[in-house]
Amino acid sequence: GNSVTQMEGPVTLSEEAFLTINCTYTATGYPSLFWYVQYPGEGLQLLLKATKADDKGSNKGFEATYRKETTSFHLEKGSVQVSDSAVYFCALSSAGGGNKLTFGTGTQLKVEL
Amino acid sequence: SAVISQKPSRDICQRGTSLTIQCQVDSQVTMMFWYRQQPGQSLTLIATANQGSEATYESGFVIDKFPISRPNLTFSTLTVSNMSPEDSSIYLCSVGWGVNEKLFFGSGTQLSVL
Repeated sequence: GNSVTQMEGPVTLSEEAFLTINCTYTATGYPSLFWYVQYPGEGLQLLLKATKADDKGSNKGFEATYRKETTSFHLEKGSVQVSDSAVYFCALSSAGGGNKLTFGTGTQLKVEL
Repeated sequence: SAVISQKPSRDICQRGTSLTIQCQVDSQVTMMFWYRQQPGQSLTLIATANQGSEATYESGFVIDKFPISRPNLTFSTLTVSNMSPEDSSIYLCSVGWGVNEKLFFGSGTQLSVL
């Protein structure tokens, strides 16, 4: 079946530091890959997505590249801000799975001044 | 996009009682799902709400415990039956249109069972 593995948190960074949150997946077929973010006290919202190999999703300075050869979709940002503090979830969906999302365990990011 | 209204936003319930959570969408959607997010954990899919027919449950979830209705393309309910403290969790409604397209999430219902 499908599964997503994320690096464990919490990840604590200073403002303007470089961020990487690792995500690898196991899936049948060709899944779509997503990063969702959950800010404190808010619901889940889509951050970015990629639907095929070598696609790069980007939004709000965050990027992730769909690497089929390494089955990875690592999230990166060149310079984090305090306002980026949130929980980040990697997820996948596959056509064979009826568009159901399989989530990773989430990684909490704390950005300090 | 979709605006999802989920009610109640939170509740505190007694053991053995049931709670029904409502999910209302401002437009017709193809797919509706119910997820659970237990404290400190990721999201787990409970079931797919099918319009006009019985929901499709994931492994570990059964209709007697989590009955779901979806009478039309904009509305669904999830009932948590005969609650125990282990049911304390955030329950999330999510909606979407196409396969491999993004899902939109409601703000969730935080349930505490005493």
